[in-house]
Amino acid sequence: DQQVKQNSPSLSVQEGRISILNCDYTNSMFDYFLWYKKYPAEGPTFLISISSIKDKNEDGRFTVFLNKSAKHLSLHIVPSQPGDSAVYFCAASPGSADGLTFGKGTHLIIQP
Amino acid sequence: NAGVTQTPKFRILKIGQSMTLQCTQDMNHNYMYWYRQDPGMGLKLIYYSVGAGITDKGEVPNGYNVSRSTTEDFPLRLELAAPSQTSVYFCASSYSMAYEQYFGPGTRLTVT
Repeated sequence: DQQVKQNSPSLSVQEGRISILNCDYTNSMFDYFLWYKKYPAEGPTFLISISSIKDKNEDGRFTVFLNKSAKHLSLHIVPSQPGDSAVYFCAASPGSADGLTFGKGTHLIIQP
Repeated sequence: NAGVTQTPKFRILKIGQSMTLQCTQDMNHNYMYWYRQDPGMGLKLIYYSVGAGITDKGEVPNGYNVSRSTTEDFPLRLELAAPSQTSVYFCASSYSMAYEQYFGPGTRLTVT
């Protein structure tokens, strides 16, 4: 039973355009959401997060949107750059010490 | 500041052998976690610790053991290795519960 779902295994975007990565969750207890970026043979790197009391958080080229009623969040990258090519994981937490629940990841490929 | 370090980077085990995956963090984080990532999947929590002397099971603890005698170290022990334990193992730590976690580079383990 997947509590965090990333339904697009891969996404190809042209350099300079907007990349939109989507994530859905089923557990109503989740109140904190994170995006991680992962390059091959490296550990995941924290990118951006959002608390359930907000609907948007922005950090430079990265913006995360949260729609609690739809149990949906998205990561926008504008403009997309070649170095953004990586696997992006959506993760969620109920605000306890139990660790994060991860989606399966979306492989973002930025085309020149 | 090295962050989270893991050793070894790679290991091949025969079925039935045992080994310990090492994890050390130098950020004075109380919370530490072990995850495994199977191909095409998200990370799954094996064990976690909220402080020295305190550990608890995650989603997939069978076949593993942990200990936490110091704040810095959180080793993961595999007893009687099985092919199903072939995976990439990530250690992570965080300052506060379940928020931004910092990951090590991973240990790629193959059991044959």
